[in-house]
Amino acid sequence: AQKITQTQPGMFVQEKEAVTLDCTYDTSDPSYGLFWYKQPSSGEMIFLIYQGSYDQQNATEGRYSLNFQKARKSANLVISASQLGDSAMYFCAMREKAGNMLTFGGGTRLMVKP
Amino acid sequence: DAMVIQNPRYQVTQFGKPVTLSCSQTLNHNVMYWYQQKSSQAPKLLFHYYDKDFNNEADTPDNFQSRRPNTSFCFLDIRSPGLGDAAMYLCATSPSQGAQETQYFGPGTRLLVL
Repeated sequence: AQKITQTQPGMFVQEKEAVTLDCTYDTSDPSYGLFWYKQPSSGEMIFLIYQGSYDQQNATEGRYSLNFQKARKSANLVISASQLGDSAMYFCAMREKAGNMLTFGGGTRLMVKP
Repeated sequence: DAMVIQNPRYQVTQFGKPVTLSCSQTLNHNVMYWYQQKSSQAPKLLFHYYDKDFNNEADTPDNFQSRRPNTSFCFLDIRSPGLGDAAMYLCATSPSQGAQETQYFGPGTRLLVL
């Protein structure tokens, strides 16, 4: 079974609008970390935001926020006020305490329209 | 600025000709990783080092080897590249192996096999 699922292969958003990228995960480990990365066409994986399984509040980093719903096992990324430079591939990933691997979802390609 | 550096950014090699990709870090992190990423796919972990301890993923082909001569440097050796090894190779580091530890990626090396 897939541990990280991103159901949106591609999305469009109008510049300056907010967009939500979906991510659901599956784990029985009580201790885990959830991460979002941005990968522009240049190829570099850029770390955006982290949410720990025990964190009580949703993580925020500038225009990025993580809508963490633990009971539903979802960790959606919200980008506010989209910019043209936000056009990229976005990966959700999970790291469990039991292992060292960072497990990635299949990614969502976001395209920001001017 | 502390960072993860990969050289070269683009590497062209011939079918069957050994090639080495380099990664260095100024973050002084204990763990270094090598990922392979093919077009439109998520990164796939090949192996990682915790200090000098080498950990190979079960499905990593024998064609791929790695060396970590010191904390700062890690190399990926492809002994006999095939056409199927053309991909983006990403190096990453993390302070340790905890679930909360973020992995920081370098810019990647795109390998083309002729």
